[in-house]
Amino acid sequence: DSGVTQTPKHLITATGQRVTLRCSPRSGDLSVYWYQQSLDQGLQFLIQYYNGEERAKGNILERFSAQQFPDLHSELNLSSLELGDSALYFCASSGRGGVGNTIYFGEGSWLTVV
Amino acid sequence: AQSVTQPDIHITVSEGASLELRCNYSYGATPYLFWYVQSPGQGLQLLLKYFSGDTLVQGIKGFEAEFKRSQSSFNLRKPSVHWSDAAEYFCAVGIFGNEKLTFGTGTRLTIIP
Repeated sequence: DSGVTQTPKHLITATGQRVTLRCSPRSGDLSVYWYQQSLDQGLQFLIQYYNGEERAKGNILERFSAQQFPDLHSELNLSSLELGDSALYFCASSGRGGVGNTIYFGEGSWLTVV
Repeated sequence: AQSVTQPDIHITVSEGASLELRCNYSYGATPYLFWYVQSPGQGLQLLLKYFSGDTLVQGIKGFEAEFKRSQSSFNLRKPSVHWSDAAEYFCAVGIFGNEKLTFGTGTRLTIIP
């Protein structure tokens, strides 16, 4: 158990819909990362927040957005969903941010778009 | 930009046999290197990491990896695999000042009795 909690574990939704994935980082961790794992793209970095502020942005679509709240939990919002958005979405956390700090991953949220 | 190559998509080894999973990276300076393991239905678990210093790194579950700058490699090894080692293994690279990890495409390990 990494200490990173993600909900829901599985989600099935229709094209065009919007979903929210939730992440609670390890206790005390200030930095939260979101990654997408799909068959064709592999593991892709989406975005990182540090203590409530956006720190780095990767291959995140404009239809996707994220935020980190004062209690440090984070949400990833996916809208206007397409079939290609079906993937495993990982949240990860680390203490202070920066690649030199070990990043701990949650078990992921499986999203299926039908 | 940094990149990671895991040339072996799938490897099958017998239980008790030795294992080596290959990882090559592309980056001009010394990167931070990681190996993660993903068991079916599970998240990614960090096996080991290399930042600097001793080029032979020991990790959890009996794994080790060796950083070879001349070959731009960071291969993962285990002297004797167990059936529970069956999983997907990912090599990742990070660079100082950049928050993201770049992952390889993964190597799926199958263990046969």
